[in-house]
Amino acid sequence: DSGVTQTPKHLITATGQRVTLRCSPRSGDLSVYWYQQSLDQGLQFLIQYYNGEERAKGNILERFSAQQFPDLHSELNLSSLELGDSALYFCASSVGASTYEQYFGPGTRLTVT
Amino acid sequence: AQKITQTQPGMFVQEKEAVTLDCTYDTSDPSYGLFWYKQPSSGEMIFLIYQGSYDQQNATEGRYSLNFQKARKSANLVISASQLGDSAMYFCAMRGARNTDKLIFGTGTRLQVFP
Repeated sequence: DSGVTQTPKHLITATGQRVTLRCSPRSGDLSVYWYQQSLDQGLQFLIQYYNGEERAKGNILERFSAQQFPDLHSELNLSSLELGDSALYFCASSVGASTYEQYFGPGTRLTVT
Repeated sequence: AQKITQTQPGMFVQEKEAVTLDCTYDTSDPSYGLFWYKQPSSGEMIFLIYQGSYDQQNATEGRYSLNFQKARKSANLVISASQLGDSAMYFCAMRGARNTDKLIFGTGTRLQVFP
């Protein structure tokens, strides 16, 4: 158990809908990262927050947004969902902004039908 | 641009034998970090081992060691005394410097350990 929690574990929704994925980092970790794992794109970095501020952005679609709250948990919002958004979404956390190890949560498997 | 290449889509190894999973990388940053993660069929990503670009010695963690050859830009994972529970996908990843902490992943190698 990495200490990073993600909810829900599975999510099935229809095209056009909006969902929110939640992540709680390990105790003491200030950085949260979101990654998407899909069959065609592999594992891709989406976005990073550090202590409530956006720190880095990857290949995140405009339909997607994220935030990190004062208690350091983070939410990834996916809207106007398309079939191609079906993927495993991981949250990872690390102690600092440039700390070596990133510990991953169990992931949220999103299926868009 | 930074890139990670894993050329072995799948590998087989017999229980108790050692196996090497290949990883090559490309970066122009002088400071970087290399990681290996394990993803079992259950889906979670498990951190295995880390090697910094300035580390003089190869990293080791239990049965895992990283064969770091900087001049060749390779960071191969060696698993000694394979166990059935080692069957999983293995991903090599790189973290670059220059104000970015994102991990760039390779395409992974599926390792199957047989009795």
